[in-house]
Amino acid sequence: GAGVSQSPSNKVTEKGKDVELRCDPISGHTALYWYRQSLGQGLEFLIYFQGNSAPDKSGLPSDRFSAERTGGSVSTLTIQRTQQEDSAVYLCATRGTSTDTQYFGPGTRLTVL
Amino acid sequence: SQKIEQNSEALNIQEGKTATLTCNYTNYSPAYLQWYRQDPGRGPVFLLLIRENEKEKRKERLKVTFDTTLKQSLFHITASQPADSATYLCALAEDNQGGKLIFGQGTELSVKP
Repeated sequence: GAGVSQSPSNKVTEKGKDVELRCDPISGHTALYWYRQSLGQGLEFLIYFQGNSAPDKSGLPSDRFSAERTGGSVSTLTIQRTQQEDSAVYLCATRGTSTDTQYFGPGTRLTVL
Repeated sequence: SQKIEQNSEALNIQEGKTATLTCNYTNYSPAYLQWYRQDPGRGPVFLLLIRENEKEKRKERLKVTFDTTLKQSLFHITASQPADSATYLCALAEDNQGGKLIFGQGTELSVKP
């Protein structure tokens, strides 16, 4: 499809396990963002990639969170030693070069038991 | 401290009426504001963008205003329809460099037939 895709759509894990969430951007979009949305809350910025520049990691809540973007395309958000407070919907968005509009994927719902 | 706040209560209106949603911010100087629509279980979808030097933008039944003195944006849906029922998010960008968006918590709109 032509939109942003994310996988898995749902992830249930046990406290202390590591998880990886994947984002496939719209082809040609050089900017990629990760946000998370807790129940009833607005979106909270996590990290931003723009081309080959160093990512803006200012929103990562702890060093258990990290993200990579390989070859300027697919991105993976990794959460190590998950905690119950990590339970949320993790949303990926991408943006083209000539627009300020961010296009969001459907999100991954993470539940930490 | 910096804040971005939307109508805290859900908004219930009758079909055909105009819905007005409010977004207020504190201690930001946004380069632009965006409004997104979010349906349950889906990612946000971009609706409108208004820049700091613009007072009003329209798109079909949608209108957004931006008052930098009041530090407020209003989002209007005229001739509302049940299909407009969703959560509406406002988001601001602190600069024009394409970085992160800072989101409000959203307002849930319900349009009754």
